Amino acid sequence: AQSVAQPEDQVNVAEGNPLTVKCTYSVSGNPYLFWYVQYPNRGLQFLLKYITGDNLVKGSYGFEAEFNKSQTSFHLKKPSALVSDSALYFCAVRDNTGGFKTIFGAGTRLFVKA
Amino acid sequence: GAGVSQSPSNKVTEKGKDVELRCDPISGHTALYWYRQSLGQGLEFLIYFQGNSAPDKSGLPSDRFSAERTGGSVSTLTIQRTQQEDSAVYLCASRSPGTGSSYEQYFGPGTRLTVT
Repeated sequence: AQSVAQPEDQVNVAEGNPLTVKCTYSVSGNPYLFWYVQYPNRGLQFLLKYITGDNLVKGSYGFEAEFNKSQTSFHLKKPSALVSDSALYFCAVRDNTGGFKTIFGAGTRLFVKA
Repeated sequence: GAGVSQSPSNKVTEKGKDVELRCDPISGHTALYWYRQSLGQGLEFLIYFQGNSAPDKSGLPSDRFSAERTGGSVSTLTIQRTQQEDSAVYLCASRSPGTGSSYEQYFGPGTRLTVT
């Protein structure tokens, strides 16, 4: 069965510092991995995805994520955090064995302090 | 172009009543998903439709929940005999067919359901 874990309910970081939001997953086959962001009073937005190829993927708003197969992780990173990055971040996984069901993590709230 | 739309944006209903929530996906998107987001919780998968294939209903929490997708476009999520634990934000998402850029989902603004 597919599963996603986001071990931190909240991440606090100072503006200008690097940020990491953690995600680990479990799937039957090879994973398709996603990060989505939910800003206050706004809908969920796609940030980035890993399907195949380079382990480091770049997405919107300067975010990137590194796929690590041996550790079954897909951590979200940004070199320099902005106050405007404060939001709820969701990691999601879908396996590539034919189904389209996507499982989302519980979410991590990122708080960037000025 | 137009994104995913959902209606109503807010719905307050009395316990025991039936409700219908509507989703209009992006034109041309063959895949449609319903999720539930309870306060302080993550997204809970409910159901998805892919073209003319049988829907994956594995996430529906009880037989009070059902969904239809007419003509491969608009979808309606129906909750019968609502309970207070059904209170949540119900999110709809659609995805385009094919490969490449088709993997990600595009979400609507959600319907906030409150059962009193």
